[in-house]
Amino acid sequence: GESVGLHLPTLSVQEGDNSIINCAYSNSASDYFIWYKQESGKGPQFIIDIRSNMDKRQGQRVTVLLNKTVKHLSLQIAATQPGDSAVYFCAEKGASGGYQKVTFGTGTKLQVIP
Amino acid sequence: ETGVTQSPTHLIKTRGQQVTLRCSSQSGHNTVSWYQQALGQGPQFIFQYYREEENGRGNFPPRFSGLQFPNYSSELNVNALELDDSALYLCASSLAETQYFGPGTRLLVL
Repeated sequence: GESVGLHLPTLSVQEGDNSIINCAYSNSASDYFIWYKQESGKGPQFIIDIRSNMDKRQGQRVTVLLNKTVKHLSLQIAATQPGDSAVYFCAEKGASGGYQKVTFGTGTKLQVIP
Repeated sequence: ETGVTQSPTHLIKTRGQQVTLRCSSQSGHNTVSWYQQALGQGPQFIFQYYREEENGRGNFPPRFSGLQFPNYSSELNVNALELDDSALYLCASSLAETQYFGPGTRLLVL
């Protein structure tokens, strides 16, 4: 498989504060981006997605920002709660040989301090 | 819950053995993708099945193979297991662009 970092970057946030998790993607041809949340011992859980023709999309307490110029994606979580503690992955999706391949980033561990 | 189930939840094998992992996709989802997630890393794409045909593959050797059945459930087979195959194996089902993941199968190769 492809090599990725062995050590997850960690973001510690006080409960009630806003969290911002950043991600740099590599493929300028990617046309769809997704944020996943993965709690310990579970599979990734879909949070929010955004297409490449948009630069912002809002969900419930979450906002995704896309900057295609610098190939940067961010996830903002408002009023962070202890239940938000997890590893967050950004993923990019683009056509590759006739199918849609999803490539995951390294992940960021979010720790919410009560 | 995503409606995607995987079995078994945990599995221990020894080097050289073969393993089969199973995935039931969410109702109506005709595409299943398999991923390998090593500890502390993001999921790595193994391959994808669409309507019983493999239509994409990541950088994994041929000893990783799969099947998709008419009801869209799927199997991942790994032959000649190596120690580095120890990981969480995830399947994800989709109908359109969004993939929904199962809880995974934790494989330990001794």
